[in-house]
Amino acid sequence: AQKVTQAQTEISVVEKEDVTLDCVYETRDTTYYLFWYKQPPSGELVFLIRRNSFDEQNEISGRYSWNFQKSTSSFNFTITASQVVDSAVYFCALHLYGQNFVFGPGTRLSVLP
Amino acid sequence: GAGVSQTPSNKVTEKGKYVELRCDPISGHTALYWYRQSLGQGPEFLIYFQGTGAADDSGLPNDRFFAVRPEGSVSTLKIQRTERGDSAVYLCASSLTGDGTDTQYFGPGTRLTVL
Repeated sequence: AQKVTQAQTEISVVEKEDVTLDCVYETRDTTYYLFWYKQPPSGELVFLIRRNSFDEQNEISGRYSWNFQKSTSSFNFTITASQVVDSAVYFCALHLYGQNFVFGPGTRLSVLP
Repeated sequence: GAGVSQTPSNKVTEKGKYVELRCDPISGHTALYWYRQSLGQGPEFLIYFQGTGAADDSGLPNDRFFAVRPEGSVSTLKIQRTERGDSAVYLCASSLTGDGTDTQYFGPGTRLTVL
């Protein structure tokens, strides 16, 4: 069975701090895709990144970076120099080829001014 | 272009009533997904369409829930004999191919409240 764990339920940081959101996944498949989504207070899920299981290269996009490690089945997300607008619930998700998505329970990030 | 749209944005109904929730995917997207999100939880998969057919309906909780996509575009999620436990935000998403190489784009959701 597939499973996604986000052990951090809530995180609070002060603006300009760096913060890392953890994601650990479980699957026996060798072909899969990992995603991060942001859900701001407005409620609409926003896509952040997709990574396939054959590409372990880390990714950086502006203040966002992602660390994918197959050895530990982790796909962690770091926000550098956090801003108040980063406050949201962040979901990690696992997608197996041709099948549905499995979402983690989410991490609520609060960035305080 | 236009994103995924869902109507109504809010629906309040009484226990035992029938409701229909509509999803308009991004034009040209062949895959369409329905999820349910309860307060404080992550999205829970309900059903996935590839074209007109339901490729995976394993997430539908019971036979009161049914979804259709007759022309491979708009989809309707139907809930019969609603129960208070059905109250949640129902999310629709679409993707270009649905084969895992593309990204799901989500609509704003329909908040269903069953009194």
